[in-house]
Formats: sequence, structure tokens, C-alpha cells
Amino acid sequence: DGGITQSPKYLFRKEGQNVTLSCEQNLNHDAMYWYRQDPGQGLRLIYYSQIVNDFQKGDIAEGYSVSREKKESFPLTVTSAQKNPTAFYLCASSFNRGENYGYTFGSGTRLTVV
Amino acid sequence: RKEVEQDPGPFNVPEGATVAFNCTYSNSASQSFFWYRQDCRKEPKLLMSVYSSGNEDGRFTAQLNRASQYISLLIRDSKLSDSATYLCVVTGYNFNKFYFGSGTKLNVKP
Repeated sequence: DGGITQSPKYLFRKEGQNVTLSCEQNLNHDAMYWYRQDPGQGLRLIYYSQIVNDFQKGDIAEGYSVSREKKESFPLTVTSAQKNPTAFYLCASSFNRGENYGYTFGSGTRLTVV
Repeated sequence: RKEVEQDPGPFNVPEGATVAFNCTYSNSASQSFFWYRQDCRKEPKLLMSVYSSGNEDGRFTAQLNRASQYISLLIRDSKLSDSATYLCVVTGYNFNKFYFGSGTKLNVKP
């Protein structure tokens, strides 16, 4: 079955460490996205990529980095520059073309700084 | 001003009730509109797209009012399993950026 897989489900980071969250999709979707959700808050866009080898900053890109070397994969690195990284991170993908194509989300990664 | 605004609720309703949520959006060039459902500590899942003519899926009806820039979701005959947070989602003019509301929490009580 096609889908989008995020790993790990839970991640603990020490202060000053970089960590990388994995996101893989086999839906043949063109675009991929990373969102952050804080308790009781909406989703905020970190980065997105519409094609391989290209990505754009979202609304809260500071302290994060991404790469898009393959269509299927869009890993997110949370760097030590991100001062408040504890959150629920969601990866999503979609087709670029046409209207009324919604996102498909992965099941998320919960990151906690210890 | 936020791109998408929703009443956070919570809406507490008895089983069998009809409940309606509204959502307003700021960009008149927005092209596509969706309602997503998010259960506690889970990822959002697409509930339904919202078409200009309005659309219905079982107990759920979605409406779009472009002139007033709002969309609505009506749930009839509420079930306990409808308890969740409902997210309003609006795309930009090129479909590629999705803007999420903060969500409206629904609690359906026995």
C-alpha cells in the first residue's frame, strides 16, 4: 500500500545536538512538506519542496535544514540553533498539479529535548 | 492577520446533535479548501474537500462562501467517534502552500 512513513516515532535530543527526522513516501507525490505542531496550536510550515533538489523556507525555517535528493525522501535536521525544538513534527506530501488534492500526512515524530 | 481563523471551541454536544463549524480565510485568491480531522496525538487526516457548489458526504456537509471568504462544516447526528479536532485548510493561489487553522475541538457526549 502507498503511504508516507516518518521515523522515529519518538526522539529525545540533548541540548546542543543535531538530530535528523526521516520522511519517505511511495505515493509518487511531487511535493513534500514539514510542519511543526505545538500543544493546542495549529500547524506551522517549516520547509517545503516541490521538486527534487529544490526546497523553500516556510514560516519558521530558522534552526532547521532539509534536503531533497530523491523524490521519495525529505529528511529534516533540527539543529542546535533551534532554541525550542520540543514539538510534534509532521511530514506531508501532495501532487503539485490541479486543485482539490489534499495532503497525505505521515504519523509524526515527537521530539523532546532532555 | 492569520491566513485562516477558526473558533477553537471546545464544542460540547450530546450524541445525535447537529453541530456547525465556520472558518474564515484572508486571501481572496485561495483556490482549494479542505476539512481535516485530527485525533489526539495523531496526524491530521483528510475529511473532505470543499467545492464551490457545496458537497455532502454522509452526515457531513461542507460549504464555501467565496464572497464572504468562509467555509463551513456541518455534522448531523453526531456520534461519539466524531470527537476530534477539525482543521480548516486553505491553499494559496498556486495550490502548493497549504494554510492550516488552529482547529476546532469537538466533544460529543453520551
